[in-house]
Amino acid sequence: ETGVTQTPRHLVMGMTNKKSLKCEQHLGHNAMYWYKQSAKKPLELMFVYSLEERVENNSVPSRFSPECPNSSHLFLHLHTLQPEDSALYLCASSLDSNSGTEAFFGQGTRLTVV
Amino acid sequence: KQEVTQIPAALSVPEGENLVLNCSFTDSAIYNLQWFRQDPGKGLTSLLLIQSSQREQTSGRLNASLDKSSGRSTLYIAASQPGDSATYLCAVKSSASKIIFGSGTRLSIRP
Repeated sequence: ETGVTQTPRHLVMGMTNKKSLKCEQHLGHNAMYWYKQSAKKPLELMFVYSLEERVENNSVPSRFSPECPNSSHLFLHLHTLQPEDSALYLCASSLDSNSGTEAFFGQGTRLTVV
Repeated sequence: KQEVTQIPAALSVPEGENLVLNCSFTDSAIYNLQWFRQDPGKGLTSLLLIQSSQREQTSGRLNASLDKSSGRSTLYIAASQPGDSATYLCAVKSSASKIIFGSGTRLSIRP
């Protein structure tokens, strides 16, 4: 248990659906991250939030829409996804984004787009 | 642009052996380097964190070293056990906000 909780753990959605992934941490961290892990590829950084402001957007398609309503919660809203978006989506948090503090990861949401 | 490389991609050794996993990075301007373990289909578990000013960190049978000037880190696992079988990921935090990962080393310990 790392203190970072992701829900749901598994999600199957059609290409026309809209769904959301949720990440929650009560570690007192101010930075939160979304990563995508596809088979046989390194983890890809998608978004970084620091104190609820987006500070990094790594050329992610607009069908992925992040939301950070407060420093404890991070969402990833999904709509009109493609089969190639099927992957493990990992959330992480750290005390802040601009120093050498440790990052903690959730267990991930395994997303399958059909 | 920071790039992180891990060699080898896969490694299989008999139980009890000591082993070394390698990680290299292209930009030495880093905040820290972190080693993670990932079991199949699961999230990442942090093993060791080395700050940019440090040379090594130890936790139990694990020892991680950092040579920032040459852009290298190693993870040493002593007296390996079947339970050590997993994918080991190296990640570098460099510049504002970015944590960049290598592709990982898939480790298998044979009983």
